[in-house]
Amino acid sequence: KQEVTQIPAALSVPEGENLVLNCSFTDSAIYNLQWFRQDPGKGLTSLLLIQSSQREQTSGRLNASLDKSSGRSTLYIAASQPGDSATYLCAVRRSGGYNKLIFGAGTRLAVHP
Amino acid sequence: DTGVSQNPRHKITKRGQNVTFRCDPISEHNRLYWYRQTLGQGPEFLTYFQNEAQLEKSRLLSDRFSAERPKGSFSTLEIQRTEQGDSAMYLCASSSWDSSYGYTFGSGTRLTVV
Repeated sequence: KQEVTQIPAALSVPEGENLVLNCSFTDSAIYNLQWFRQDPGKGLTSLLLIQSSQREQTSGRLNASLDKSSGRSTLYIAASQPGDSATYLCAVRRSGGYNKLIFGAGTRLAVHP
Repeated sequence: DTGVSQNPRHKITKRGQNVTFRCDPISEHNRLYWYRQTLGQGPEFLTYFQNEAQLEKSRLLSDRFSAERPKGSFSTLEIQRTEQGDSAMYLCASSSWDSSYGYTFGSGTRLTVV
């Protein structure tokens, strides 16, 4: 059974810091991994999608890496801003014809001025 | 196309009442998913459709829950005889046939059962 864990559960940092959010999964047989952002009371916004054959993806100040063999992904946020405050969720889709995403519980990020 | 649309955004209902939510996916996407999210947790899979066929249902989807996707377009999720434990955010997502571009989620419907 695939399980996804995100560490830390919560993080509070001053503006300008570079951050690393961690995601680990128990079954390395994944099709892809997707990072999402969720603002309080809102839906999910896709940030980055990494296919199983890829090692990393970048979008602006965000960089996500994937190490499938060790069951880990990291989301790197450069030069954090108060507007980055949100919950960050990672989700994996298993390979082999499975179609649902398995989510971690998220990391709640607060960036203060 | 403005993405995945969900209605209503919020629903407050009394215990025992029936509620229905609607999801309009991205028009080119033939796969549609329903998830439920409780406070402080990640979303949990409920069910998914490929076109009009419901191909998988979670054990979380009790007999009081039913989902439909007539004609493979919009989808509805109905909860009968609501219970306080049904209070959650109900999220809809859609994807292309191979999900190679990932999933696009809607803004969700927040259900409160009082």
